[in-house]
Amino acid sequence: SQKIEQNSEALNIQEGKTATLTCNYTNYSPAYLQWYRQDPGRGPVFLLLIRENEKEKRKERLKVTFDTTLKQSLFHITASQPADSATYLCAPSGGYQKVTFGTGTKLQVIP
Amino acid sequence: GAVVSQHPSWVICKSGTSVKIECRSLDFQATTMFWYRQFPKQSLMLMATSNEGSKATYEQGVEKDKFLINHASLTLSTLTVTSAHPEDSSFYICSALNTGGESGANVLTFGAGSRLTVL
Repeated sequence: SQKIEQNSEALNIQEGKTATLTCNYTNYSPAYLQWYRQDPGRGPVFLLLIRENEKEKRKERLKVTFDTTLKQSLFHITASQPADSATYLCAPSGGYQKVTFGTGTKLQVIP
Repeated sequence: GAVVSQHPSWVICKSGTSVKIECRSLDFQATTMFWYRQFPKQSLMLMATSNEGSKATYEQGVEKDKFLINHASLTLSTLTVTSAHPEDSSFYICSALNTGGESGANVLTFGAGSRLTVL
């Protein structure tokens, strides 16, 4: 069956450092992979999308990589700030309508 | 950008009553909407896919008679929790598929969620 795994339940990082979050998937062949941010008690917000033919994508302090051989995406936040504290969700998608999310990684940036 | 409005944001009801949650796409047409359920500290669980003008497609294990979904227009989908019980208490979130999003990919725009508490 299809499975999406994100690293650890929580990731604590010092302000100013780079946070790296991992998304591994099995039994998927996604055309692209999406990353969302969710704050407590709110709906997720779309951040970035990377296509299967793209190795890397950047948006301001965010960087996403996509390795279809490893079936893995890495999500980096450089120069992290306390305001980046949230839960980050990955979603392999494309080729089919429904979007299924990983378990999410809770990021806490410590001042 | 694309906005999805969901309300009510929270509702408390008595056991046995029905509750309706509305999800509207404000500035785009959404032929497809999704309803998710989220338990504390857990990820989003897809309940059903709602297509305008047709019956919703429910995920395995989701009772279609308990969770009625109606997608009567290109901008409105509703979820009705019928005969609610305490175990239905949860955070329900809708999302609309925005095919006009980034490079034509199927990006989701989410509502703010509805917290349902059944007493």
